[in-house]
Amino acid sequence: DAGVIQSPRHEVTEMGQEVTLRCKPISGHNSLFWYRQTMMRGLELLIYFNNNVPIDDSGMPEDRFSAKMPNASFSTLKIQPSEPRDSAVYFCASIRDSYTEAFFGQGTRLTVV
Amino acid sequence: AQTVTQSQPEMSVQEAETVTLSCTYDTSESDYYLFWYKQPPSRQMILVIRQEAYKQQNATENRFSVNFQKAAKSFSLKISDSQLGDAAMYFCAYRSNFGNEKLTFGTGTRLTIIP
Repeated sequence: DAGVIQSPRHEVTEMGQEVTLRCKPISGHNSLFWYRQTMMRGLELLIYFNNNVPIDDSGMPEDRFSAKMPNASFSTLKIQPSEPRDSAVYFCASIRDSYTEAFFGQGTRLTVV
Repeated sequence: AQTVTQSQPEMSVQEAETVTLSCTYDTSESDYYLFWYKQPPSRQMILVIRQEAYKQQNATENRFSVNFQKAAKSFSLKISDSQLGDAAMYFCAYRSNFGNEKLTFGTGTRLTIIP
């Protein structure tokens, strides 16, 4: 299995630009998570989907952030407009069911200048 | 809401020695999972070990073992025969077994292996 695949690995963008991060979960996994990692706040959940439906989006910082999961094999996290404080590593993770562990992608390092 | 606390920001250990990383958590639930994840410089999050709260027996994976004290809400990780490749950030994480599948992470412990 290829594991959870995220793209791009690195993204540098200018403040005000739109940024889209992509994630392909492991085939057969029913839940998908977006996490953000920063030095100040550690690993925090942004949103999670179960069977393509958003279940908990309480971690989404503000309206500039949006996430979609149009099908079981693809999800996006969009930031519009981006700000320097959005600079972080964004992880996508998936799990098969409630009894198994989460598998993480390699993350996208976002830098907003 | 559940919280996870790792009180040791940094730890170091001599190669081949044993080290224990601490983790405590707070929850009102009785059924849950606990995990230790390793994050090397490559930043990949790698599962080290998991523990189901209903199991009294402590989980073991080769050189890695846990000391799970449910009443004390403590979940420490012991690494035996430490190797240079064990150098990484280690995160303790909690997951409920009641609906919400999200992981709640501690702040991490940076482990250095001294050759």
